[in-house]
Order: sequence, then structure tokens, then C-alpha cells
Amino acid sequence: AQKITQTQPGMFVQEKEAVTLDCTYDTSDQSYGLFWYKQPSSGEMIFLIYQGSYDEQNATEGRYSLNFQKARKSANLVISASQLGDSAMYFCAMSPRGISGGYNKLIFGAGTRLAVHP
Amino acid sequence: EAGVAQSPRYKIIEKRQSVAFWCNPISGHATLYWYQQILGQGPKLLIQFQNNGVVDDSQLPKDRFSAERLKGVDSTLKIQPAKLEDSAVYLCASKGNNYGYTFGSGTRLTVV
Repeated sequence: AQKITQTQPGMFVQEKEAVTLDCTYDTSDQSYGLFWYKQPSSGEMIFLIYQGSYDEQNATEGRYSLNFQKARKSANLVISASQLGDSAMYFCAMSPRGISGGYNKLIFGAGTRLAVHP
Repeated sequence: EAGVAQSPRYKIIEKRQSVAFWCNPISGHATLYWYQQILGQGPKLLIQFQNNGVVDDSQLPKDRFSAERLKGVDSTLKIQPAKLEDSAVYLCASKGNNYGYTFGSGTRLTVV
């Protein structure tokens, strides 16, 4: 069975500094996708970044980068130059790739609450 | 493009009452998901539809929860009768090709 572990219930960072949110996963699938979502207090899930298990380069999207270490089964999110608006819950998720090549359900971790201080 | 629409935004009911939530996915998205997010936890899949067929409902408490996606477009999730532990945010998501999952704003249910 697939499982996502986020060991940091809460993190805080000073504005303009970088922060790393940890995520480890457990799966026996060879092909899968890893995702990070941001959930502000308003409740919507906002997609941040995606990494395919066969992608050799780490994914980057603006200030977000994903530190993918396949052998360690880790997919940490790095946020550079933190902003006050980054304060939110952050969820790591994975999805196994099906026989047809598409992704199915997302399996989420418990989340990390990030607080950015001025 | 318009996002995933959900209604109502909030709902308060007494235990043993029934409630229904509605979701309209992004046009053309064949896959639709309902997730339950209990306070302080990550979302948990309740049911996945592909067009109007059920792909995965293994974690749906079928004695009280039901869902349908008639015509393969919008979907309704129902709880009857509700229990206190059903208090949660119910998130609907849809997916097109590749890895583009899009979530709605959710329905926050409080059972008292």
C-alpha cells in the first residue's frame, strides 16, 4: 500500500529566507507521480509542483523546487525567498501510474503548517 | 476555464439528518473524485468516477454514504444518516489528461 509521511506538523521561517518541507513516501510501484499542494485557510487546494518518478531532473516552478531523491523515497519541497502569503498548510501527495499510463487517485500526507514571520 | 464548482460552501446539520453536496467539474474532465478532509488531516479519497462509472469506492462508508455521477458530468455526494464524526471538509476534484488535478473550494460540514 502507498503511504506519504510528513514528519513536521509545523514549521516557521523568516520572510525572504528559504525553507524545506519534508516528505517521504512508500510504494512498490515503479511509476508514480509526486505532488505538492498548498491549502490556505480558505480551504482550496492549490497545485504547486509535480515530479514524475522517471524524471531525472528535479522539478522547479518559480520559487518552488522539489528535491527528489528516489533511492531514499523522499520528495522535499523547497520554497525560496519566503513571503508572508506562503503561510498555509502544505500537503505532499503521490499517485501511482495506472496500466494505461494515466494517474489515478492522490494519496496525501498529514500536512505541514508553515508560518512565515516578518 | 472555469474551476471546479461545489455547493453549498458550508452546512450545519444535526446528527441523524441527511445532507447532499454537489460538484460540477471542469468541462471535459472525465475523472472526478470526492475527498473527505477531517480537521488536522490530509484529504482521504471517498470515491473516484471515470465518466459515470465508479473506479474506486473502497473507502466509502456505504452504509451511510452514497454518490452518483449521472451523465458523466456533475456529481452528488449524500450522507444519510449523518454522524458526529462526519464533520469535515468534503473536497471535489476533477482531472483531465496528464497530472492536472483541480480541486473545488470544498464544503465544510458540521454535524451537531
